[in-house]
Formats: sequence, C-alpha cells, structure tokens
Amino acid sequence: GQNIDQPTEMTATEGAIVQINCTYQTSGFNGLFWYQQHAGEAPTFLSYNVLDGLEEKGRFSSFLSRSKGYSYLLLKELQMKDSASYLCAVRDSNYQLIWGAGTKLIIKP
Amino acid sequence: GAVVSQHPSRVICKSGTSVKIECRSLDFQATTMFWYRQFPKQSLMLMATSNEGSKATYEQGVEKDKFLINHASLTLSTLTVTSAHPEDSSFYICSARDPLTGENSPLHFGNGTRLTVT
Repeated sequence: GQNIDQPTEMTATEGAIVQINCTYQTSGFNGLFWYQQHAGEAPTFLSYNVLDGLEEKGRFSSFLSRSKGYSYLLLKELQMKDSASYLCAVRDSNYQLIWGAGTKLIIKP
Repeated sequence: GAVVSQHPSRVICKSGTSVKIECRSLDFQATTMFWYRQFPKQSLMLMATSNEGSKATYEQGVEKDKFLINHASLTLSTLTVTSAHPEDSSFYICSARDPLTGENSPLHFGNGTRLTVT
C-alpha cells in the first residue's frame, strides 16, 4: 500500500529552527508538496520538490531525496504564527495526491 | 494567484436535511475539482473528483447517492450532503488546480466548510 509518515506533533521555541521529516512509500513519484494548515482553515501551499535537493523560499526550505523516499521541511527564525499543522503530500504515478496525517507544530515563546 | 472560493464556511443543520456546498474557481477555469473531508486531528481524505460536464469519480467507500456532486460549469462545483446525519459532521474542503500552470502546479484550496449535523 501507499504510505506517508510524519511525526504527529513537534514543539519548538520562537526564534529557533525546526525540521519536520516526511518519509513515503508510494507507487511511483511525481513530486512532493508541503502545505501549512492552521486550525479550522484550509491548507495553503508552501513548497514543491520533484528533483533531489534543497528548495529555499524565505524562512522555509524543503529537501527531497527520492532514493531514500524522504523529505523534510525546515523552518527558520520561528514565529508564533508558524504554529500550525504541516502536511506532506506525494503525487504518485497516477498523479493522485497521497496525504500524510500532518505534523502539529507548537511554538513556545 | 489562483483563488478558490468555498461557501458557506459554516453550516449547522438538523439530521435528515440536505446541505449544499459551493466551490468556485475565481480566476481560472477548472475542468477538475477535488472534494476532501477532514475529521479532527486527521489528514485530508479525498472523497471524489468532480469533472466538468461528466460524472464525478468517487473514492472507495464514499456513497455517491449521499454525496451528490455537480460540476455544471468550468468554475463551479457543488457538493450536496443528502439526508445528513451527525456522523457526517466534518470539515469539507474543495480544491482545484489551474490547468494552465501545468501538472506540477499545486492544488489551491477553498477555505473549507464546517458542517455540524444536530
């Protein structure tokens, strides 16, 4: 079967750096997405990786290793507003999105 | 950027009634829209894929007669929860991708509809 694994919950301190990992086993691979979802709201797009390596976008970076079936989202200079759930999603060979359960990130002052 | 509008944002209804949720793509034409359901502290669950001008494709275990989907135009898809029951209470979210931005473009989500059935 297809599977996306993320930690359920993480806690970090304001101003610090946090890395949220995602491992996947899917039938084929056509890209990996990271979304941010605040409580009670819809997900918003953060990043997309289809080739190995690091994609940097401001305070957020996303890394992909296709051979390892692994990605991480790196958040720097954490702010209180970064408290949210972070969803990893992989597009399989049929271009279907497979979603992880999300990682709830708690930022403490 | 691409915007998807969803209405209503919240609805409370009595058991046995039907509820219609609208999803519009505001600045692009979406031949395909996706309807998701999300229970508390769980991930997004794809319910169905709405196809303009043809029947929706439902995921396994989703009752097509209960969750009616209509995609009559390139900018509007509707989900009707028929004869709603308390177990249908959930967060329903629609999404779409701007076809002009290619297969690798991300999904854009509506703001979701919180349905509570009493």
